Amino acid sequence: DVKVTQSSRYLVKRTGEKVFLECVQDMDHENMFWYRQDPGLGLRLIYFSYDVKMKEKGDIPEGYSVSREKKERFSLILESASTNQTSMYLCASSLVSGGARNEQFFGPGTRLTVL
Amino acid sequence: AQRVTQPEKLLSVFKGAPVELKCNYSYSGSPELFWYVQYSRQRLQLLLRHISRESIKGFTADLNKGETSFHLKKPFAQEEDSAMYYCALAGGYQKVTFGTGTKLQVIP
Repeated sequence: DVKVTQSSRYLVKRTGEKVFLECVQDMDHENMFWYRQDPGLGLRLIYFSYDVKMKEKGDIPEGYSVSREKKERFSLILESASTNQTSMYLCASSLVSGGARNEQFFGPGTRLTVL
Repeated sequence: AQRVTQPEKLLSVFKGAPVELKCNYSYSGSPELFWYVQYSRQRLQLLLRHISRESIKGFTADLNKGETSFHLKKPFAQEEDSAMYYCALAGGYQKVTFGTGTKLQVIP
């Protein structure tokens, strides 16, 4: 059974703080993704990675960066948190065979509030 | 560019009534379409994908390339179907685009 875990379920930070969101998967998946989920806007892709040390921008990368030093771990970094980054953040992973056409497995999400 | 449109934010139906959740897409190539579901307090998970052509929990979805649609259907809604449903498109090699989601509310 694929397990995708996220370091925190709830996080409260102050404007300007540097924030790290961690995601770990245990199924040796090559692809990993970070989305934010907002009511009325659905899921929007922030960044994805198809291999260690590789990253690609998604649809809304501004204000975010990522790090993938190990295959199982994908970190999302908010360099200087702002109130408009208050959201639910979802991590996902998938096999690389067929690329993005494979099922994505999601983590439970991190609800980030920036005050 | 690839785009997914789910025109309904909320769909309310009575138990036993038919359900149709609409999804339209825009993509110049040959896409792969998915439906994901998120039940209350659970993580997002795959419901079905068009390539497998199977029925999951009584739901089916047919890819209509002429109308660029991938509507999700179920003949008789159950209370346990109440959830948030997302249509998703995999176009380019790695990127998946999700729609804005439709909340299905099944009234007892």
